[in-house]
Amino acid sequence: DVKVTQSSRYLVKRTGEKVFLECVQDMDHENMFWYRQDPGLGLRLIYFSYDVKMKEKGDIPEGYSVSREKKERFSLILESASTNQTSMYLCASSLLGTDVNYYGYTFGSGTRLTVV
Amino acid sequence: AQTVTQSQPEMSVQEAETVTLSCTYDTSESNYYLFWYKQPPSRQMILVIRQEAYKQQNATENRFSVNFQKAAKSFSLKISDSQLGDTAMYFCAFTPLGGSQGNLIFGKGTKLSVKP
Repeated sequence: DVKVTQSSRYLVKRTGEKVFLECVQDMDHENMFWYRQDPGLGLRLIYFSYDVKMKEKGDIPEGYSVSREKKERFSLILESASTNQTSMYLCASSLLGTDVNYYGYTFGSGTRLTVV
Repeated sequence: AQTVTQSQPEMSVQEAETVTLSCTYDTSESNYYLFWYKQPPSRQMILVIRQEAYKQQNATENRFSVNFQKAAKSFSLKISDSQLGDTAMYFCAFTPLGGSQGNLIFGKGTKLSVKP
């Protein structure tokens, strides 16, 4: 069964800590994405990557960075966690949109991050 | 700007009844994909149904079907014979074809409750 795996379901971190959220996919997808999901705001794109070592800013990149050293792994980094980064974080992957087999995203189970 | 609008933040339906979730989108593209995703309370977002804009026929997947009106830029989801397991957040999403890297544009979601 193909899947996207996020390393943690729940995380509690302190303000100012550096936080790493890991995401691994086994589908050989080119694209990988990080979203945060907040009630009433839907899904907001933080960063995405369409190739190894490539990254693009999404709608809300401030306070975050990403790393993609291998095709299957995409890491989200909170450089100095703040309470307003308490949220659900969703990772997703997909083929390129121009691929004839493009079928949208496959999502991970999400990481509920609480910053105290 | 390309946008997706879900005008119903919350809906409820009785078990075994039929419910329709609305979605409209705004784009100048002529070729694109449309999707409905389901996120149950356990959080894993899964694909419900996919529509290719160049296909006239409405997509169906078992009890789920869409009413795709390209001229009106409308893409509603109909759930027939609603079941308790259909209780979830439902997100409508869109991506243009042709040069797109496959980023989905999401609506803010509709929370559906199926009542026994």
